[in-house]
Amino acid sequence: AQSVTQPDIHITVSEGASLELRCNYSYGATPYLFWYVQSPGQGLQLLLKYFSGDTLVQGIKGFEAEFKRSQSSFNLRKPSVHWSDAAEYFCAVGEASNYQLIWGAGTKLIIKP
Amino acid sequence: DARVTQTPRHKVTEMGQEVTMRCQPILGHNTVFWYRQTMMQGLELLAYFRNRAPLDDSGMPKDRFSAEMPDATLATLKIQPSEPRDSAVYFCASGLTGNSPLHFGNGTRLTVT
Repeated sequence: AQSVTQPDIHITVSEGASLELRCNYSYGATPYLFWYVQSPGQGLQLLLKYFSGDTLVQGIKGFEAEFKRSQSSFNLRKPSVHWSDAAEYFCAVGEASNYQLIWGAGTKLIIKP
Repeated sequence: DARVTQTPRHKVTEMGQEVTMRCQPILGHNTVFWYRQTMMQGLELLAYFRNRAPLDDSGMPKDRFSAEMPDATLATLKIQPSEPRDSAVYFCASGLTGNSPLHFGNGTRLTVT
């Protein structure tokens, strides 16, 4: 079955510390992978995407993610978080950018001052 | 910046009433999605349109929900009659087929009492 697992419902990180959010997927075809961020009261915004090529992709707001086919993972990282990064982060997988994406349940990031 | 516009932002209604939510996709985008977000179920795809034609509405309760695109600048989602379990945030997203990201509106928060 096709699925996306974000094992951490909540993560708390101190401001300035590094961050890694986990995403594992199960998908039959070659996956297109996405990370979206949702700030309170707003819609989702694309952080970054992976279609092919270099497995380390750079996104907006200083985020990056690494695609590891052997581990079926697409973890999101940021070397130093800012208070404004507090939000919910969603991993998604699909066949193409605008086909039906399969979404993870989201990870809520809490930033400690 | 072009953006997806959803109206209303908030809607409180009584059980049994009709609810209509509207979405103006970004001009030129040819795909439109309706999602529902709840704490329990996360993001659920309700309907998907490409070039105004419905491609998939299998996620939508057909007996009470309907989605249409009367023209390229307007997508609607109707619930009739509404029930308390329909309380959720409903998101519209638009995009272009191919390798472009989905753009989300800020959602309609529906409360059915």
